[in-house]
Amino acid sequence: QQPVQSPQAVILREGEDAVINCSSSKALYSVHWYRQKHGEAPVFLMILLKGGEQKGHDKISASFNEKKQQSSLYLTASQLSYSGTYFCGTGGYAGGTSYGKLTFGQGTILTVHP
Amino acid sequence: NAGVMQNPRHLVRRRGQEARLRCSPMKGHSHVYWYRQLPEEGLKFMVYLQKENIIDESGMPKERFSAEFPKEGPSILRIQQVVRGDSAAYFCASSPRDSKNEQFFGPGTRLTVL
Repeated sequence: QQPVQSPQAVILREGEDAVINCSSSKALYSVHWYRQKHGEAPVFLMILLKGGEQKGHDKISASFNEKKQQSSLYLTASQLSYSGTYFCGTGGYAGGTSYGKLTFGQGTILTVHP
Repeated sequence: NAGVMQNPRHLVRRRGQEARLRCSPMKGHSHVYWYRQLPEEGLKFMVYLQKENIIDESGMPKERFSAEFPKEGPSILRIQQVVRGDSAAYFCASSPRDSKNEQFFGPGTRLTVL
């Protein structure tokens, strides 16, 4: 089952904040966040593992709520370079083994204007 | 430390021909994943391989598609008798272990079927 991302698109002015959500109908073991610019490869942002942790670097952080089976990506004081499509990828876990494959959401298009 | 390498970057094939896409993982990474991305869509998992082993091929079409990761050399995704619907960007990612670790993506191969 593909995770559902919301919103589908966000338009910001430089310096504004944004939150992108990723919800799954299945139990989560890991959530991976990527940013992809048009015509380029996805770039890894961060990974969160089962345990409800929160992570961050610079002005981008994320949380993982295992109970709600959802993760949120927080972008603060956005910069022009933040523009792109953000994908969450979810990894499963069963029988003592974590799944290698990631199931990606449909993406959230973020546009930052000067 | 070189990143994930893919070649060719662009590949044009006529219907019925074969396409071979190559992926060299990052140094020290033994896990390789192939994803397909149709225009304006998200990433869809195809296959997960370790050296000489296919771990999960649940995303591979039943016919015409095959993948391998030999003991020596790059991972190969092979598409036989290509059709127009195979036109897409094919990304390879690698990780040192499984989904507990980030997957780093290569630049992709853009396949166009005429």
